[in-house]
Amino acid sequence: EIVLTQSPGTLSLSPGEGATLSCRASQSLSDNFLAWYQQKPGQAPRLLIYGASSRATAIPDRFSGSGSGTDFTLTISRLEPEDFAVYYCQRYGTSPPLTFGGGTKVET
Amino acid sequence: QVQLVQSGAEVKKPGASVKVSCKASGYTFTDYFIHWVRQAPRQGLEWVGRINPNNGDTSYAQKFQDRVTMTRDTSISTAYMELSSLSSDDTALYYCARSGGLGELVAWGQGTLVTVSS
Repeated sequence: EIVLTQSPGTLSLSPGEGATLSCRASQSLSDNFLAWYQQKPGQAPRLLIYGASSRATAIPDRFSGSGSGTDFTLTISRLEPEDFAVYYCQRYGTSPPLTFGGGTKVET
Repeated sequence: QVQLVQSGAEVKKPGASVKVSCKASGYTFTDYFIHWVRQAPRQGLEWVGRINPNNGDTSYAQKFQDRVTMTRDTSISTAYMELSSLSSDDTALYYCARSGGLGELVAWGQGTLVTVSS
């Protein structure tokens, strides 16, 4: 089973600053089937990025994903007040299981 | 628009079973997998398994293999997850989610809180 490790666990930033979140896989994701989700308190997760770098529907362009193989990054160019949340990476594909990283909390 | 509406909160005693439903609308139910993901209090996301609504094929995470059953009723566009032999460790919010094709989860239900307590 592929294990995803996210870092840092918590990121303390201010609105207007940029954020860089990391997700490292224990084995290469040769197909780049890596997604990122945002979860706010009391809400279900929301898909932000799929295929490592494609934005999901209606996701603002301040969110971008990059990386390949075992190292992936979610970048938020300028934090808006509504971006303070927990972010999860997820490995998916035709072969289960799906796995999630442990999450990164972006706090102010 | 795609919508997944889950059944209400449940309180169960240890050793009991729980069955959670997930009613889909806004798309063709049989075209996309339904996944189940749980989140224990103040914890991260954990994949439980998935079902192909078209043919009923299932795949479960190994830790739940022996006590989870996923089914569907295509006549009412509803998926179900039943978890048996509950313990306090199963207290969590259970989400259903629709995949976009390969397992990226494009739409989520509102979650069903399952509390296991004696």
